Amino acid sequence: EVQLVESGGGLVQPGGSLRLSCAASGFTFSSYWMHWVRQVPGKGLVWVSRIKRDGGWESYADSVKGRFTISRDNAKNTLYLQMNSLRAEDTAVYYCARELNVIVGTNTDAFDIWGQGTVVTVSS
Amino acid sequence: QSALTQPASVSGSPGQSITISCTGTSSDVGTYNLVSWYQQHPGKAPKLMIYEVSKRPSGVSNRFSGSKSDYTASLTISGLQAEDEADYYCCSYAGSATLVFGGGTKLTVL
Repeated sequence: EVQLVESGGGLVQPGGSLRLSCAASGFTFSSYWMHWVRQVPGKGLVWVSRIKRDGGWESYADSVKGRFTISRDNAKNTLYLQMNSLRAEDTAVYYCARELNVIVGTNTDAFDIWGQGTVVTVSS
Repeated sequence: QSALTQPASVSGSPGQSITISCTGTSSDVGTYNLVSWYQQHPGKAPKLMIYEVSKRPSGVSNRFSGSKSDYTASLTISGLQAEDEADYYCCSYAGSATLVFGGGTKLTVL
């Protein structure tokens, strides 16, 4: 079964750090671009970051640039999001998502597999 | 990276058709054919319904269709069913390798 399982969420104080993990199974992880998307409960989805198949290239939303770092370990089939200098407005459910792969070498920028999400709460 | 504009809510009766709009700018929807649509039921992860403006992933009902004109993308659901009641989100490539979502639309099946 194709699956993504996030972990690492929790309660952290403003200014603190947290590392999220996303374990992939059921597919060839190294063949896919991967993304993080977040959602404040009751609010909309917000794209956070993406990383290339081999981990050699990444991009970020302006709201997290310089504070968050996306990475991956293809040997462990795991995606990460290192979150530093956390703010109250980073409180959300964080989803990892697989990018739909239709033609090798081109991006669809669509997410065909999602994890169940992990909750991050930034509060004192 | 301003959010795409969607109506907060739409409604329709079973069997009817509804359309949800998603308005962007020349920096996103107006320039790129990389618009996708997601369905999200309460407490669940989003599900991909449409990608690249009008393509359906395997397994998605042909009652769901997508289109785009100028700066506005649209999702049409025909033959509304009770299980279609959910939140719907559009998403577009926004240049510089970034993506932007819409604010979401709550679909109510009357």
